[in-house]
Amino acid sequence: SAVISQKPSRDICQRGTSLTIQCQVDSQVTMMFWYRQQPGQSLTLIATANQGSEATYESGFVIDKFPISRPNLTFSTLTVSNMSPEDSSIYLCSVTGRGQRRETQYFGPGTRLLVL
Amino acid sequence: AQKVTQAQTEISVVEKEDVTLDCVYETRDTTYYLFWYKQPPSGELVFLIRRNSFDEQNEISGRYSWNFQKSTSSFNFTITASQVVDSAVYFCALSEYGGSQGNLIFGKGTKLSVKP
Repeated sequence: SAVISQKPSRDICQRGTSLTIQCQVDSQVTMMFWYRQQPGQSLTLIATANQGSEATYESGFVIDKFPISRPNLTFSTLTVSNMSPEDSSIYLCSVTGRGQRRETQYFGPGTRLLVL
Repeated sequence: AQKVTQAQTEISVVEKEDVTLDCVYETRDTTYYLFWYKQPPSGELVFLIRRNSFDEQNEISGRYSWNFQKSTSSFNFTITASQVVDSAVYFCALSEYGGSQGNLIFGKGTKLSVKP
């Protein structure tokens, strides 16, 4: 499966600021996704990062709050804007596999965000 | 609507015990996919298995085995002779498109603690 890295691995931010999280894959992938995992909770899909076009957001998530870029097939960014303590979560990117594994999502190591 | 229920919030066992993690799902689709992921304390999500709705054969991989029963809408996960390194949160997930379109519906997870 692809090797997925995320930067930063963790951060502590002040209320009202923004943080951009990067997701880098070591090979070209078709699909990339961003998830949020609030403390002690399960994962929730934020959006699908589309290469060369606007991301597709799930209900409850909007572009102004979570702008996403995907300039090529190996890289995407998620920005958490105007942060509040409720945004404290783990943010994970995922990609679909290749060939026989194309129906499976593989996840990056996650970015732990704490907003004070 | 699709739903995944992991009724066991936390399980604690002693090393070498066998343990079964339960997963019950709901879907109206005839074609769907089921997944198990492991999330160790470090936070990354590790893919364990994918099963499609047409394949009810049980699967064994080393100390891990999975029991898929469509009649009871269950996809249970058993760890034989558990080890301390098995301590993690385990998530069951459901998708009607495999994982390729991002719509993985996760259960709330079961936290497994294996004590020496």
